[in-house]
Amino acid sequence: QVQLVQSGAEVKKPGASVKVSCKASGYSFTSKYLHWVRQAPGQGLEWMGIIIPSDGSASYVQKFQGRVTMTRDTSTSTVYMEMSRLRSEDTAVYYCARSNPRAGDYLDYWGQGTLVTVSS
Amino acid sequence: DIQMTQSPSTLSASVGDRVTITCRASQSISSWLAWYQQKPGKAPKLLIYKASSLESGVPSRFSGSGSGTEFTLTIGSLQPDDFATYYCQQYNYYGTFGQGTKVEIK
Repeated sequence: QVQLVQSGAEVKKPGASVKVSCKASGYSFTSKYLHWVRQAPGQGLEWMGIIIPSDGSASYVQKFQGRVTMTRDTSTSTVYMEMSRLRSEDTAVYYCARSNPRAGDYLDYWGQGTLVTVSS
Repeated sequence: DIQMTQSPSTLSASVGDRVTITCRASQSISSWLAWYQQKPGKAPKLLIYKASSLESGVPSRFSGSGSGTEFTLTIGSLQPDDFATYYCQQYNYYGTFGQGTKVEIK
């Protein structure tokens, strides 16, 4: 069965960086796209960007460009989201989610989420 | 950027009620719209894609309609398990979400 398993919770100080992983299984890793979505406490969902595992290319929402990098490792079927220069406003649950480019980029499977807390 | 506006933000309803949530796009997105359900502490769950296609395993009381800029999610007869927050998402260009609609017990 399709699974996206994310790394554990992180606590970081302002100005630091964090790298969250998302390990995929149960499907052909390079045939689907992976997205990152975040949710601040008590707030709605915010789409951050997309990575194409087959070639490693990524696109980001403008507000995250220059601060977020999405990468992948095809040998372990894992994608990563690294965010630098963390601020308190980046405290959120970060989700990875899958889409099927042949059907449209709706998100059919989601990881369990990773809580990132930014606090001094 | 495409903006998505959901209404209402909160909806109070009783078991058995018919419930409708609206989502409007700032520009045409054809039928590239999905609906998700989220319960506290859980990841969102896909309900509807391409505006009106029901995801496998989702109860048939959920339905979606619309195209262009205006879309609706309807729950035909609200069940206890349906009290949750619902989000629309456009995926015509990138993937903007609406702000969410919380369905509460009346």
